[in-house]
Amino acid sequence: AQKVTQAQTEISVVEKEDVTLDCVYETRDTTYYLFWYKQPPSGELVFLIRRNSFDEQNEISGRYSWNFQKSTSSFNFTITASQVVDSAVYFCALSEAGNNNAGNMLTFGGGTRLMVKP
Amino acid sequence: EAQVTQNPRYLITVTGKKLTVTCSQNMNHEYMSWYRQDPGLGLRQIYYSMNVEVTDKGDVPEGYKVSRKEKRNFPLILESPSPNQTSLYFCASSLLPWGGNTIYFGEGSWLTVV
Repeated sequence: AQKVTQAQTEISVVEKEDVTLDCVYETRDTTYYLFWYKQPPSGELVFLIRRNSFDEQNEISGRYSWNFQKSTSSFNFTITASQVVDSAVYFCALSEAGNNNAGNMLTFGGGTRLMVKP
Repeated sequence: EAQVTQNPRYLITVTGKKLTVTCSQNMNHEYMSWYRQDPGLGLRQIYYSMNVEVTDKGDVPEGYKVSRKEKRNFPLILESPSPNQTSLYFCASSLLPWGGNTIYFGEGSWLTVV
């Protein structure tokens, strides 16, 4: 069965610091997708990124970057020069592809609460 | 604007009083589902629907019902709510029902059962 672990339940940093949120996953499938979502204090879930298991290229989007390493089953998320507006709960999630997952179910980690202090 | 809309956003109810949380999407998505979010557990899938009149159980279906009579709507029904159903609920949709398609979530419905 699939599983996602976010070992850091809470992280506190000072504005402008870099911070990395860890995500480790387990799956028996060779084809799967990994996601990151942001949940600000208002509660909605904001989609950040989707990566498939065949694409291990790291991705950068502004101050956000993602490091996907199949060898360690990790999909870590780094925020560079953090800002107060980055304060939120961040979820990593896994979706096994195709017929193995007819319900398109996302398996979520427990989330990491990031607090960025001014 | 493409969106998934849930109502109500906030609700306090009493044990045993039937309630329905509505969900509607305007993206013509085939797939819709419901998740609940609990501290430390992330989100867990309750029910999903791959198309009209096609629904199935997710990980935590006990105490819930759903229906999919129209493509755009997917209400969540709690026939006899209990305090352990106090949670934050999310409706979600994706264009296709297969694993890997990006899922878009509604804004969430905070439900408290006393």
